[in-house]
Amino acid sequence: AQKITQTQPGMFVQEKEAVTLDCTYDTSDQSYGLFWYKQPSSGEMIFLIYQGSYDEQNATEGRYSLNFQKARKSANLVISASQLGDSAMYFCAFLTGGFKTIFGAGTRLFVKA
Amino acid sequence: NAGVTQTPKFRILKIGQSMTLQCTQDMNHNYMYWYRQDPGMGLKLIYYSVGAGITDKGEVPNGYNVSRSTTEDFPLRLELAAPSQTSVYFCASSYGASGGYTDTQYFGPGTRLTVL
Repeated sequence: AQKITQTQPGMFVQEKEAVTLDCTYDTSDQSYGLFWYKQPSSGEMIFLIYQGSYDEQNATEGRYSLNFQKARKSANLVISASQLGDSAMYFCAFLTGGFKTIFGAGTRLFVKA
Repeated sequence: NAGVTQTPKFRILKIGQSMTLQCTQDMNHNYMYWYRQDPGMGLKLIYYSVGAGITDKGEVPNGYNVSRSTTEDFPLRLELAAPSQTSVYFCASSYGASGGYTDTQYFGPGTRLTVL
């Protein structure tokens, strides 16, 4: 069965520093996608970044990058130069062939001034 | 484009009441989804639809019903509300890419429902 794990319930980072949020997944499928979403205190779910299983390069979107290690089945989100507005809940999600995206439990990030 | 819109934003129901949560998307997406998010938890899929007239159950469908008569709309019906249905409900949509694993979902702002 497909499974996705975020082992860090909460993380603290100093403003302007980089932070890595962990995500591991378990699947026997070869074709899959990995997504990261941000949920600020206002509650909406904001898509951040996508990585496909066949993508040879790590995905990047501005200050967000995805450290994809296929053999380890990990897809960690790296946020560079953290800002106060990055304080939020972050969800890793996994999608294989089909329609059912599986979401992790989330990591709450606190950015300190 | 408004994206995915949901109404209402907040609602309080009494046990046993019924209501419909509305969801509309203007991105011409084929796939639509309903999730619930309990406090401090991740998202659980209630129902999804791959096109008008086609719906299927997700992980936690009990106590809910859906319909999809148009591409744009995907309402979620709660019958006989129970306190266990207190949650935040998110509607999402995606294009429905061939192969399925590249499909990014875009979410509405959510409906916060309390059942007392």
